[in-house]
Amino acid sequence: DQQVKQNSPSLSVQEGRISILNCDYTNSMFDYFLWYKKYPAEGPTFLISISSIKDKNEDGRFTVFLNKSAKHLSLHIVPSQPGDSAVYFCAGEETSYDKVIFGPGTSLSVIP
Amino acid sequence: DTGVSQDPRHKITKRGQNVTFRCDPISEHNRLYWYRQTLGQGPEFLTYFQNEAQLEKSRLLSDRFSAERPKGSFSTLEIQRTEQGDSAMYLCASSLSGTGPYGYTFGSGTRLTVV
Repeated sequence: DQQVKQNSPSLSVQEGRISILNCDYTNSMFDYFLWYKKYPAEGPTFLISISSIKDKNEDGRFTVFLNKSAKHLSLHIVPSQPGDSAVYFCAGEETSYDKVIFGPGTSLSVIP
Repeated sequence: DTGVSQDPRHKITKRGQNVTFRCDPISEHNRLYWYRQTLGQGPEFLTYFQNEAQLEKSRLLSDRFSAERPKGSFSTLEIQRTEQGDSAMYLCASSLSGTGPYGYTFGSGTRLTVV
């Protein structure tokens, strides 16, 4: 039972353009959704989150949108930079269970 | 504080051998998590501790796996009688309770290869 799905294993974008990473979930009990970024040979690092009662959260070049009725969220990166090339994990958290459930990840390549 | 440390970074072992990994969390963090990541997958939850108490174990954690966190500081994850299917990256994370979903800090992981 995959509670968090990222159906695009990879994405390539030109530098300066927008990157859109998509995520779908099945667990309607998630209280928060998070995006983590992972470089090779490093652990994932927290990027941005959104509460389940919000529909948008913005932090600099990164914006996360949540559509609860569709059980879908997306991460927008504008403008994309070569340093953004990494694997991005979408994740959900039920605060009552206090653990984060990760999707399989999308590998983003930003081409100079 | 240099973050979450995991040792060793890489481990190659023969099938049937026992292995033990260590995780040193951020010192003020009272929660510690173990995750496992296989190729093409996201991290999968294995178990977590609050202080020295192990509060939850995933069904992924068979009886060959055991984790401890004596005195609520570092943690060890032991795998007995390793199998090839145990080959994965084992990630440790720590957090401070009450910091919400932003608080996980991951280590760089231990990559286990069972031959």
